Amino acid sequence: AQSVAQPEDQVNVAEGNPLTVKCTYSVSGNPYLFWYVQYPNRGLQFLLKYITGDNLVKGSYGFEAEFNKSQTSFHLKKPSALVSDSALYFCAVRNGNNRLAFGKGNQVVVIP
Amino acid sequence: DGGITQSPKYLFRKEGQNVTLSCEQNLNHDAMYWYRQDPGQGLRLIYYSQIVNDFQKGDIAEGYSVSREKKESFPLTVTSAQKNPTAFYLCASSISGKGQGDAFFGQGTRLTVV
Repeated sequence: AQSVAQPEDQVNVAEGNPLTVKCTYSVSGNPYLFWYVQYPNRGLQFLLKYITGDNLVKGSYGFEAEFNKSQTSFHLKKPSALVSDSALYFCAVRNGNNRLAFGKGNQVVVIP
Repeated sequence: DGGITQSPKYLFRKEGQNVTLSCEQNLNHDAMYWYRQDPGQGLRLIYYSQIVNDFQKGDIAEGYSVSREKKESFPLTVTSAQKNPTAFYLCASSISGKGQGDAFFGQGTRLTVV
């Protein structure tokens, strides 16, 4: 079965600094990879996805992610973090069926 | 506007009672999902359905039941057999097919056993 790992529980970053949230995946076949963000007591909001094509994917709110097949990674990045980026971030994977598996999530704290 | 609606937002249950959480979508999506969220454990899949009148167990289906009688609706029943039901429950839907579709989420139902 497909799975993702988000190795860090919390990521702290100063406002204006680059932000990286790590994700590695395990799946048979071609992966379809997703990033979502969650604010307190709310549902998840879609940020971006990798299906095929360019390894660098651009998404909402200035976020981007880089797909690396050899390292089975799909790290989320933002060049300059904002305080409003503080939230819980989830990586997710499918492999061509409709079963969508999520990681444990990373709490991002952007320090003013 | 199209979207996915969960109700109620907050739900309290006495021990030994069954409760049903509602999930309705008007996005014309074939696939629907139920996840449970606990602090530090991420989202764990309870059940999912790829088409009307069909559903599959996820990773933590014990103590839960679902139905999919209509495309728009995928209610989740938390039964008395679920020993630790207090959690945040999220419903999602997506376009079916080859798995490329984004999942759209409802705003969640917070269930508390009292």
